[in-house]
Amino acid sequence: AQSVAQPEDQVNVAEGNPLTVKCTYSVSGNPYLFWYVQYPNRGLQFLLKYITGDNLVKGSYGFEAEFNKSQTSFHLKKPSALVSDSALYFCAVRDTSTNAGKSTFGDGTTLTVKP
Amino acid sequence: GAVVSQHPSWVICKSGTSVKIECRSLDFQATTMFWYRQFPKKSLMLMATSNEGSKATYEQGVEKDKFLINHASLTLSTLTVTSAHPEDSSFYICSAAGTGGFREQYFGPGTRLTVT
Repeated sequence: AQSVAQPEDQVNVAEGNPLTVKCTYSVSGNPYLFWYVQYPNRGLQFLLKYITGDNLVKGSYGFEAEFNKSQTSFHLKKPSALVSDSALYFCAVRDTSTNAGKSTFGDGTTLTVKP
Repeated sequence: GAVVSQHPSWVICKSGTSVKIECRSLDFQATTMFWYRQFPKKSLMLMATSNEGSKATYEQGVEKDKFLINHASLTLSTLTVTSAHPEDSSFYICSAAGTGGFREQYFGPGTRLTVT
């Protein structure tokens, strides 16, 4: 079984400050990890993924995430937040031991960036 | 990048009627498509997995006779909500997985269903 936890329902940061959105996961095999962003009444937009290789993954819009196997975490980060980054963020995991392609999503974290 | 479309983007229907939502992979072949349901400010709940040419696999608690899924071709899957009720109102999102080892998953823009 695979699962994802996003421990924070809400993250508030001031514009220009660094932001972190937390994600931890559980899989029986090795994980594929993903971050998506969703704006109101829109579908999911892909931000970045970890498949293998470097633990630090860089993605769209200046976001990055660090895969930490020992802590089973994949936190999303950005050095300087923008008001336009305000949205709902989802972390997702897929177990590489299955080729079904089914991803499990966290409950989501609402990021609010204040001017 | 690969594009997945959904039609309609929003639909309002009366209670008791059925509504069909289409999910298309526009520039790649999708052997597997997933249907999700999302409640306001909540996570995506996987409803079912459909493989081209075979019956869909439904998640526990999802009524297969109410949510009919057809995946007749490598570029089209449909979700039909039968005898819709107000509690079926939700945001429905599909995703399509390509072929190959990693099976990248691409999401559609979603369909807002409102049942009156």
